[in-house]
Amino acid sequence: DADVTQTPRNRITKTGKRIMLECSQTKGHDRMYWYRQDPGLGLQLIYYSFDVKDINKGEISDGYSVSRQAQAKFSLSLESAIPNQTALYFCATSDFAVRTLSYEQYFGPGTRLTVT
Amino acid sequence: AQSVTQLDSHVSVSEGTPVLLRCNYSSSYSPSLFWYVQHPNKGLQLLLKYTSAATLVKGINGFEAEFKKSETSFHLTKPSAHMSDAAEYFCVVSDGGSRLTFGEGTQLTVNP
Repeated sequence: DADVTQTPRNRITKTGKRIMLECSQTKGHDRMYWYRQDPGLGLQLIYYSFDVKDINKGEISDGYSVSRQAQAKFSLSLESAIPNQTALYFCATSDFAVRTLSYEQYFGPGTRLTVT
Repeated sequence: AQSVTQLDSHVSVSEGTPVLLRCNYSSSYSPSLFWYVQHPNKGLQLLLKYTSAATLVKGINGFEAEFKKSETSFHLTKPSAHMSDAAEYFCVVSDGGSRLTFGEGTQLTVNP
């Protein structure tokens, strides 16, 4: 089973609708992240959470909100979807690797969201 | 502040020939640097990472990268391309914390 799972994998929704993307992990990591990927732009950070009570905005948080329901679950919501939120969304987790004294992020398979 | 520039948006090579994907970085701290690969319709997979140990880093699938502080570069290489290497590659920098900054990606095409 995958360590980081995302549901749904694909979603088509209409402008103005509320939608939630969910992320679950079995790696036991405290830190979780949401990114969006647009062609030619790499990945941009939307929100990140260092633990259940610590949530922070990333580079492009406008129009999004998040909820950290538990250590293993981190959800991303679009309160009122708009077409320019059409993108590929990735969840990631990270933990501190003592061997390399660095953080390494592990990514889910992605959710392809289309807003019409 | 940290940033990454991938110098080529597309690279095309023939199977069996060397691969070079170029990456320059900017960081106020001693950076950690990563290369991730994304195959079509797949998530991101870590290829290799530099974290201030050896400057020549070996990764999976025969890839390696060399950290050159004087040139602020972290280019990814492979001696002989395989068809399965066709994918998008991302150079990523971290200032030592857990936040990552991604480059814009390089699409690698491998021709038979």
